[in-house]
Amino acid sequence: GDSVTQTEGLVTLTEGLPVMLNCTYQSTYSPFLFWYVQHLNEAPKLLLKSFTDNKRPEHQGFHATLHKSSSSFHLQKSSAQLSDSALYYCALSDGNNAPRFGAGTKLSVKP
Amino acid sequence: DMKVTQMPRYLIKRMGENVLLECGQDMSHETMYWYRQDPGLGLQLIYISYDVDSNSEGDIPKGYRVSRKKREHFSLILDSAKTNQTSVYFCASSFQTSQNTLYFGAGTRLSVL
Repeated sequence: GDSVTQTEGLVTLTEGLPVMLNCTYQSTYSPFLFWYVQHLNEAPKLLLKSFTDNKRPEHQGFHATLHKSSSSFHLQKSSAQLSDSALYYCALSDGNNAPRFGAGTKLSVKP
Repeated sequence: DMKVTQMPRYLIKRMGENVLLECGQDMSHETMYWYRQDPGLGLQLIYISYDVDSNSEGDIPKGYRVSRKKREHFSLILDSAKTNQTSVYFCASSFQTSQNTLYFGAGTRLSVL
């Protein structure tokens, strides 16, 4: 079945350093990949999602590239900000199936 | 204004009591979901509803049931709650499934004592 793997439970960074959160997936079909972000005591909300035409999605300085050869959709940002501290979920959806989420990565950005 | 509303936000119940979690959306979305969130496990799908009275089990349906009698409302019911059902429950909706964005409610924090 479909699955999403986020290997890092916690990533701690100093403000200004680059961010990379890992996401790999297994899927029978050609899936859509998503990143959702959840700030403390808030609901998860969409950060960005993959396009069908292989364009690289970007939002709020974050971007992610879908690599079908390696089944990955890593989230990147060139310079972390304190406000980026949050829980980040990678999710996968294919066919008519509900999105499945990874275990989540907590990003903590320190001054 | 696109909104998913969950009630109540916080709930404390004793083991064996029945629990009703309610969710509403104002976007006329066909598809609605219930997930639970636990540390280290992420968001796990309990049930999905494709429309009124068209519900399917997710990955962890045991101990839960759902009801969808109107497109805008989706309820999660725990008959005889157990302590391991202590969690944060999120309702979400989307236009359909596949590549469409999920819109989440604010969550219900349930404690079963």
